[in-house]
Amino acid sequence: DGGITQSPKYLFRKEGQNVTLSCEQNLNHDAMYWYRQDPGQGLRLIYYSQIVNDFQKGDIAEGYSVSREKKESFPLTVTSAQKNPTAFYLCASSPREGDWETQYFGPGTRLLVL
Amino acid sequence: LAKTTQPISMDSYEGQEVNITCSHNNIATNDYITWYQQFPSQGPRFIIQGYKTKVTNEVASLFIPADRKSSTLSLPRVSLSDTAVYYCLVVRRQGGKLIFGQGTELSVKP
Repeated sequence: DGGITQSPKYLFRKEGQNVTLSCEQNLNHDAMYWYRQDPGQGLRLIYYSQIVNDFQKGDIAEGYSVSREKKESFPLTVTSAQKNPTAFYLCASSPREGDWETQYFGPGTRLLVL
Repeated sequence: LAKTTQPISMDSYEGQEVNITCSHNNIATNDYITWYQQFPSQGPRFIIQGYKTKVTNEVASLFIPADRKSSTLSLPRVSLSDTAVYYCLVVRRQGGKLIFGQGTELSVKP
C-alpha cells in the first residue's frame, strides 16, 4: 500500500523542548517537502529536499531543522527556537526533482505546546 | 508567482453543480493552474490541473478562458462528502513553488 505516512498524529511539546516529526514515503519519489498550516490559513513551506543529502529552506525555516539521509525519509525537528510551534504539520512528496506542481500529502501531525 | 483570489466560502446543496472561480491576473506564460482539495485534519489532495481551455477528469472540470486571468473549478452534482476547502494555485513548471492561499471553504448541505 503506497503512500506517505506521518507520525505521530498528535504530538505535545513542553517549553524548551525539541521534538521530531516523522515523514516516510514508499512512492520512490525524489522530492519531499514540509509545510505548516495554522487555523483557517493556507500552507506555508518550511523546508524542501529535491534529492538525498540536500535540502533548502522554504519561506518559514527559522526554528526548524531537517535531514535527508535516505530517499524515503525526511524528518522535521521543531527546535526550542520556534516560539510559536502549535500548528498542523504536513509532509509531501513529488516524483521528480523540480516537479513541484503535483504533490502528494501525508495525513499530517498536529503539534501542541503544553 | 501570480497571486490568486478566490471566495472565502460558498454554500451549496446536495445534487447541485458548484463553480468556484479564481482570479490570477498576473499569470505568466509558463504557469499552470492547479486545484487542491483539503478535508479537515487531512493533507491536501490534488484535484485537477490545466493550462488553457477545458480539462475534465473523473472528479471535476476546469475552465480557463483565453486570457488565462481566471479559472473556474466545476464540481458536478456535489454530495455532503465534497464539503472541504478548495485551493487554487498558480504553479510554474520546473522550479515553481506551491503557494497556498486561504482557499474556498465549500459547505454542502442536505
